[in-house]
Amino acid sequence: GDSVTQMEGPVTLSEEAFLTINCTYTATGYPSLFWYVQYPGEGLQLLLKATKADDKGSNKGFEATYRKETTSFHLEKGSVQVSDSAVYFCALSDPRDSNYQLIWGAGTKLIIKP
Amino acid sequence: DTAVSQTPKYLVTQMGNDKSIKCEQNLGHDTMYWYKQDSKKFLKIMFSYNNKELIINETVPNRFSPKSPDKAHLNLHINSLELGDSAVYFCASSQEVGGYTFGSGTRLTVV
Repeated sequence: GDSVTQMEGPVTLSEEAFLTINCTYTATGYPSLFWYVQYPGEGLQLLLKATKADDKGSNKGFEATYRKETTSFHLEKGSVQVSDSAVYFCALSDPRDSNYQLIWGAGTKLIIKP
Repeated sequence: DTAVSQTPKYLVTQMGNDKSIKCEQNLGHDTMYWYKQDSKKFLKIMFSYNNKELIINETVPNRFSPKSPDKAHLNLHINSLELGDSAVYFCASSQEVGGYTFGSGTRLTVV
């Protein structure tokens, strides 16, 4: 079945560092790909998405490019802030699934130190 | 206006009790979900409803029973609570691929 693998956390960085959180997927079809963010004590929020190969999703300084050849959707940010500390989830969805079910990665905790 | 609201936010109860968590969405979405998040932040889907009809029912104990009185509400009732049920439970809704809106969660602690 379809699956999503994320790099294990926690990832600890200093403020203004460059961030990469790796995400790779396995899917039989042509999935849509997503990054969600969960700030402490809150529910998950959609951060960005890409629906086809070579699409780049971006939001709040974060970017991720849908790479079909490497089945990856890595999350990047050029300069992180303390407020970016959160858990980040990569997910995929088969557009043929009328139930909109998401397949989730295990989440990666990001800690930014001042 | 809160898009997906869950109540209560915190729930502490003794083993063996029965409890309910309520969820309401005002987005007009057709599909609603219940997720369980464990202490390691791993997300597990429990149930999904589309227009009040159960469409996903993952392997969860039958002590957990969802109820959808209308498409804006999806409640979760848990019988005979056990220590292992302690977790954060999230309600979510969706109207498009990947476009989930989550509630802020209910932290259930069974003592």
